[in-house]
Amino acid sequence: GAVVSQHPSRVICKSGTSVKIECRSLDFQATTMFWYRQFPKQSLMLMATSNEGSKATYEQGVEKDKFLINHASLTLSTLTVTSAHPEDSSFYICSARIVGEQYFGPGTRLTVT
Amino acid sequence: DAKTTQPTSMDCAEGRAANLPCNHSTISGNEYVYWYRQIHSQGPQYIIHGLKNNETNEMASLIITEDRKSSTLILPHATLRDTAVYYCIVREVSGTYKYIFGTGTRLKVLA
Repeated sequence: GAVVSQHPSRVICKSGTSVKIECRSLDFQATTMFWYRQFPKQSLMLMATSNEGSKATYEQGVEKDKFLINHASLTLSTLTVTSAHPEDSSFYICSARIVGEQYFGPGTRLTVT
Repeated sequence: DAKTTQPTSMDCAEGRAANLPCNHSTISGNEYVYWYRQIHSQGPQYIIHGLKNNETNEMASLIITEDRKSSTLILPHATLRDTAVYYCIVREVSGTYKYIFGTGTRLKVLA
């Protein structure tokens, strides 16, 4: 149980375009999901907390207009990187919370050319 | 900022116990300690968590000092598949229960 999926697993997009990443909890409902970003050889950095039916809470320094988060249902949260630039290339990971524990998706590798 | 500090890297011989330390000297009385690991280019995997008492499951044991300022994750018989980055996290007690990841320990299990 407690499986979290992400789609796509890899995406390449051109600079200036937008890309959407989906995060799904497959066998449970999650009122809270989290989005992280991870650069090579670095730790996970929390970007935002996504609560079903309400606006996401962004961590300091994360641009809310650039990283749009929607948590429209108890099993789906989406992260849209708008007007992507090469510096947005990274590994994006989501997690879904059950009580105090987070279960992580497999990650999405975004490359912006 | 992360509330935990861990050694950057460790090596362990296959079949031996791997002991991974974590310092969390500013932990509050009702904050939990969680351990996750991340194998290259995958999402973190839950290992174990604890509050005060030592804990054991099929993957590992967690030893928390009496003052709760540090803990040790023990993999009793390390295998090559245990090579990963191990993160010790102090979890928020209220609100969204968000995690703040530290730098983690890169464990390499040697054949």
